[in-house]
Amino acid sequence: DQQVKQNSPSLSVQEGRISILNCDYTNSMFDYFLWYKKYPAEGPTFLISISSIKDKNEDGRFTVFLNKSAKHLSLHIVPSQPGDSAVYFCAASGKGGKLIFGQGTELSVKP
Amino acid sequence: NAGVMQNPRHLVRRRGQEARLRCSPMKGHSHVYWYRQLPEEGLKFMVYLQKENIIDESGMPKERFSAEFPKEGPSILRIQQVVRGDSAAYFCASSPQGSGNSPLHFGNGTRLTVT
Repeated sequence: DQQVKQNSPSLSVQEGRISILNCDYTNSMFDYFLWYKKYPAEGPTFLISISSIKDKNEDGRFTVFLNKSAKHLSLHIVPSQPGDSAVYFCAASGKGGKLIFGQGTELSVKP
Repeated sequence: NAGVMQNPRHLVRRRGQEARLRCSPMKGHSHVYWYRQLPEEGLKFMVYLQKENIIDESGMPKERFSAEFPKEGPSILRIQQVVRGDSAAYFCASSPQGSGNSPLHFGNGTRLTVT
């Protein structure tokens, strides 16, 4: 029972272009959504979050969009840089604070 | 990832041995979460603890796994009688509060290999 899904295991983008990573969820009780970035042999690092009462949150090159009716969120990175190459996890939480993670999308930004 | 300390970084155990994984949360954080990442998979929730209390252990296997977060000292994830399927990266995360609206801060994980 995968409550948070990232259907694209990998994404390749040219430097300077936009990267769009997608995430779908099934539980309408989730009220907080986050994106984490993970490099090999390191733990996930928090990137950006959004509350369910909003539909957009922006932080520099990173923007997260939330479509509650579609139970879908996306992370936009623009412009993409080679240092953005990593695995990106979306996560969702409801009561209690525990996060439910998607399977991850490996982003490769080519110079 | 600075702040949440996990040790050891790598742990090799033979089948049937015990594995002990330690996690010291960030300063001021009293909520600890353990996650497991199997090869080619995402992070799976295992257990959520507050000082001296287990709040949610819905992700813990029913046997051989236990966790504690004592009043003093680090949180410990213990795996008894390890099997090859326990080989994974185990991540600890902490937060200052247990509500859903604050990000968790992760350590760099312990990579357990069972031979």
